[in-house]
Amino acid sequence: GAGVSQSPSNKVTEKGKDVELRCDPISGHTALYWYRQSLGQGLEFLIYFQGNSAPDKSGLPSDRFSAERTGGSVSTLTIQRTQQEDSAVYLCASSLEVGSGYGYTFGSGTRLTVV
Amino acid sequence: SQQGEEDPQALSIQEGENATMNCSYKTSINNLQWYRQNSGRGLVHLILIRSNEREKHSGRLRVTLDTSKKSSSLLITASRAADTASYFCATDLRRTGKLIFGQGTTLQVKP
Repeated sequence: GAGVSQSPSNKVTEKGKDVELRCDPISGHTALYWYRQSLGQGLEFLIYFQGNSAPDKSGLPSDRFSAERTGGSVSTLTIQRTQQEDSAVYLCASSLEVGSGYGYTFGSGTRLTVV
Repeated sequence: SQQGEEDPQALSIQEGENATMNCSYKTSINNLQWYRQNSGRGLVHLILIRSNEREKHSGRLRVTLDTSKKSSSLLITASRAADTASYFCATDLRRTGKLIFGQGTTLQVKP
């Protein structure tokens, strides 16, 4: 596609429920990142995928968070047993390759509210 | 600890003035990037400077990089009200390839 697409754009969920956030990167981009941004804060790195390599999960805040990338394209970030502190905007970005020297293209994010 | 620290946290200037934002980092990098975020969510890539470059220009933007001091600055010349946004530096880490963001500088340009 022309840009990075994220869905849903907004999600309100009850505490304790599981949620799935979707990211559709730019076609041909092998690098895909997930970030989290709380209100008025910077971006917190969560996870990145590079081609067929094992993902770097070092930023995931707890084992309630997981992500997968199917067929090297679409990625899903799953949060199990959501907590109020999970409320944030979740941003996805893609690039041709990690460390390639190209900038990243961001999606518009999913605003998650846990009530 | 945060890889990128930005200074100032907030900046308010008049239209036509120049705006300078600074970014410091801690570990070796492949490159350093600057992004803009308008109120809302999407970040827009502005400019990238590689570790072997010292200065780069793009339109009204000028970026410098001093790897000996592990610091970078973003200069926006002749600012416009439309430049009002948050600006983030991001470092592409040499060892891991991660792209790590600073906390950002909020710029307000008054008409």
